[in-house]
Amino acid sequence: GAVVSQHPSRVICKSGTSVKIECRSLDFQATTMFWYRQFPKQSLMLMATSNEGSKATYEQGVEKDKFLINHASLTLSTLTVTSAHPEDSSFYICSARSSGRIGTQYFGPGTRLLVL
Amino acid sequence: ELKVEQNPLFLSMQEGKNYTIYCNYSTTSDRLYWYRQDPGKSLESLFVLLSNGAVKQEGRLMASLDTKARLSTLHITAAVHDLSATYFCAVDISVDGNKLVFGAGTILRVKS
Repeated sequence: GAVVSQHPSRVICKSGTSVKIECRSLDFQATTMFWYRQFPKQSLMLMATSNEGSKATYEQGVEKDKFLINHASLTLSTLTVTSAHPEDSSFYICSARSSGRIGTQYFGPGTRLLVL
Repeated sequence: ELKVEQNPLFLSMQEGKNYTIYCNYSTTSDRLYWYRQDPGKSLESLFVLLSNGAVKQEGRLMASLDTKARLSTLHITAAVHDLSATYFCAVDISVDGNKLVFGAGTILRVKS
């Protein structure tokens, strides 16, 4: 099956620093990638959708200047949390979808971010 | 505003028992997904339901979709401890699979 990886799996940073999270589709080309955030004991909330080579589409309430998304190739998308604050601490999960399979999103293992 | 409601939110059951988790949604969609999440882990796809009346079974789990009632069910038969996890339903509200809206999740604890 399709595999999506994320790196790092866990990161701790100081308040005010920026953190970059990578999402890679390992065995297929992902025309669309998605970034979700999940707070403890809560559901997944879609943050943004990115298509290769174009600007990401952010969901309402998500600050595009704070959560920078780059989908530079068909196998890689990055999420950069800029000037991170403790309230940004969360579990960030990416997913990827290939052009040929409508509706099938393959999820990465997630990145746990802790901002001190 | 789209709502995806799961119930119950927490389910504690004995091994060997049967139970059903319900997922109601408030908009038109004919694509619904069920996922399992273990603590600290990402989502594992369980079922993809793509049409009205779809029924899929895998082991002790069976999922169904009624698009007219906007209802999906996840039925657990003869539960075992290994089924303990959080289960999410997600509704695709786009035409091209680009937007999933998740339910709140059902925490399932199966007691030995």
